[in-house]
Amino acid sequence: DADVTQTPRNRITKTGKRIMLECSQTKGHDRMYWYRQDPGLGLRLIYYSFDVKDINKGEISDGYSVSRQAQAKFSLSLESAIPNQTALYFCATGGYREAPMDTQYFGPGTRLTVL
Amino acid sequence: GEDVEQSLFLSVREGDSSVINCTYTDSSSTYLYWYKQEPGAGLQLLTYIFSNMDMKQDQRLTVLLNKKDKHLSLRIADTQTGDSAIYFCAEGNRRAGSYQLTFGKGTKLSVIP
Repeated sequence: DADVTQTPRNRITKTGKRIMLECSQTKGHDRMYWYRQDPGLGLRLIYYSFDVKDINKGEISDGYSVSRQAQAKFSLSLESAIPNQTALYFCATGGYREAPMDTQYFGPGTRLTVL
Repeated sequence: GEDVEQSLFLSVREGDSSVINCTYTDSSSTYLYWYKQEPGAGLQLLTYIFSNMDMKQDQRLTVLLNKKDKHLSLRIADTQTGDSAIYFCAEGNRRAGSYQLTFGKGTKLSVIP
């Protein structure tokens, strides 16, 4: 079984709809991250969390919110989706017992299309 | 702020060596990483190097680090078609307890049979 899973893997939605992307991990890691990937722009950090009560904005948090429901679960919400949020979204995790500690492990991604 | 630069594309013939280059700006980086992304998949950790090292070899992969010039490279020996992917360079930092990675935009490696 995969250590970091994301659901759904693909989603097509309409402008203005609320969307939630979910991430679960079995690695026992404290740190979780959400990124988006756009062609030619690489990976950009949206939000990150270092434990259940810790939420931090990343480079491009506007238009997004997150919830860390448990150590193993970190969800990303688009309250009112817009077309320029069409992208590939990745969840990643990191653990303080990993060597090196700032290594991140990625999920398979969610392809989101906003029409 | 921190920046990581890579060329966007590289084409090589099967059996040749590939060299993917990366430059970074943050001299306080602790570790530098190479990730591989195959089509339709997430990023897979390939290898990493501690900032005090200048070389690391792992089978067909050789990582060279020139800390003075802030230049990192990944050499893939005997490149195969299965090596076709996007390769991301990333630098790790722990400023203010923040375990973040700054990624380059990725180099798309195309292997010509």
